[in-house]
Amino acid sequence: GESVGLHLPTLSVQEGDNSIINCAYSNSASDYFIWYKQESGKGPQFIIDIRSNMDKRQGQRVTVLLNKTVKHLSLQIAATQPGDSAVYFCAENAQGAQKLVFGQGTRLTINP
Amino acid sequence: DTGVSQNPRHKITKRGQNVTFRCDPISEHNRLYWYRQTLGQGPEFLTYFQNEAQLEKSRLLSDRFSAERPKGSFSTLEIQRTEQGDSAMYLCASSLAGGDEKLFFGSGTQLSVL
Repeated sequence: GESVGLHLPTLSVQEGDNSIINCAYSNSASDYFIWYKQESGKGPQFIIDIRSNMDKRQGQRVTVLLNKTVKHLSLQIAATQPGDSAVYFCAENAQGAQKLVFGQGTRLTINP
Repeated sequence: DTGVSQNPRHKITKRGQNVTFRCDPISEHNRLYWYRQTLGQGPEFLTYFQNEAQLEKSRLLSDRFSAERPKGSFSTLEIQRTEQGDSAMYLCASSLAGGDEKLFFGSGTQLSVL
């Protein structure tokens, strides 16, 4: 169960609906962005990435949108399925840096 | 399985004891990272290696923590004189320098310090 003080943002969607998970970043020098999915007891799993010279990238059922003007990143999941239930993290890498910096996650729950 | 492998999966120890975790990266990856994750938070960077050289350490990595990658393949993370605040999931990831920047993570080692 959740502990006192834990306030992970949550998003609940109906199965079959589209999900949109948002992320704000603060480092204007970041030029690479990535979304990970983390299921309970597992390590983060790569979903999709995007470079700063793009504003949209599509994968299978997922789309990442990047708005550099307002430093905003979003992950869209089409036709959400029960298996999409997880915590989703965005991460960024600043130009010249060699590590990913993770944001706060969002817990996605799917209602049947 | 050719992914990142971490051992043990779980470790329970008493305060003051030393613990060591192992990470085996994807074989062709020359970069190896250690991250720490506490409940409800994103992974926090600790340190990374390129081949056997430790190139960056976070200020989170106190002097009780030491990481090695002696032959540029597997890595170990040791925590000496563990404290209750060390309780967390320790994640290892690897990547290929010069490739894209995504990291491939292992399943982590969950440390509980009693």
